[in-house]
Amino acid sequence: SQTIHQWPATLVQPVGSPLSLECTVEGTSNPNLYWYRQAAGRGLQLLFYSVGIGQISSEVPQNLSASRPQDRQFILSSKKLLLSDSGFYLCAWEEGAGRKSFFGQGTRLTVV
Amino acid sequence: EDQVTQSPEALRLQEGESSSLNCSYTVSGLRGLFWYRQDPGKGPEFLFTLYSAGEEKEKERLKATLTKKESFLHITAPKPEDSATYLCAVDSNSGYALNFGKGTSLLVTP
Repeated sequence: SQTIHQWPATLVQPVGSPLSLECTVEGTSNPNLYWYRQAAGRGLQLLFYSVGIGQISSEVPQNLSASRPQDRQFILSSKKLLLSDSGFYLCAWEEGAGRKSFFGQGTRLTVV
Repeated sequence: EDQVTQSPEALRLQEGESSSLNCSYTVSGLRGLFWYRQDPGKGPEFLFTLYSAGEEKEKERLKATLTKKESFLHITAPKPEDSATYLCAVDSNSGYALNFGKGTSLLVTP
């Protein structure tokens, strides 16, 4: 069966420091992969999606970037974190044409 | 622009007290509507997909229905373990990403 791993679960970083969040999927090949951010009182905001290795689309211009170095690995990065980058970050993969998404357990990022 | 609105924002029920959560949507060409359950500090967990008006799906105490303008998540005789935030999302012709509502936070007390 397919599983998705996301780490770390929590992270406290100072303003101006770099960021790297990693997500890996097992049990499937060539999945569509997504990074979302969830802020308190707001819906899930799509940040990036990828339909294949090296293919990244950005939905919202911001201080973050994403990369997909391997088929089942998706990385969210920042060179210099801002306070406004704090939030709950979720990685997801999509099953086939039905658009059903499966989410990782999330990373709670606090920028101080 | 697609819009997804969930109501109420929060709902408190006594154990056994049935109720419904609403997800109203305005989209250009609905391709699918999704319901997820999210526990605090966790990622959303898939519950249902509905594709066309009149469709219904059931799982234990939950039943999801779909019309041309809204979806309902009916909770029959809820238990405390049903407490969670329930998210609705739509897939439409106007965008690549799922469009999520803000969710309904459900608390079921013994």
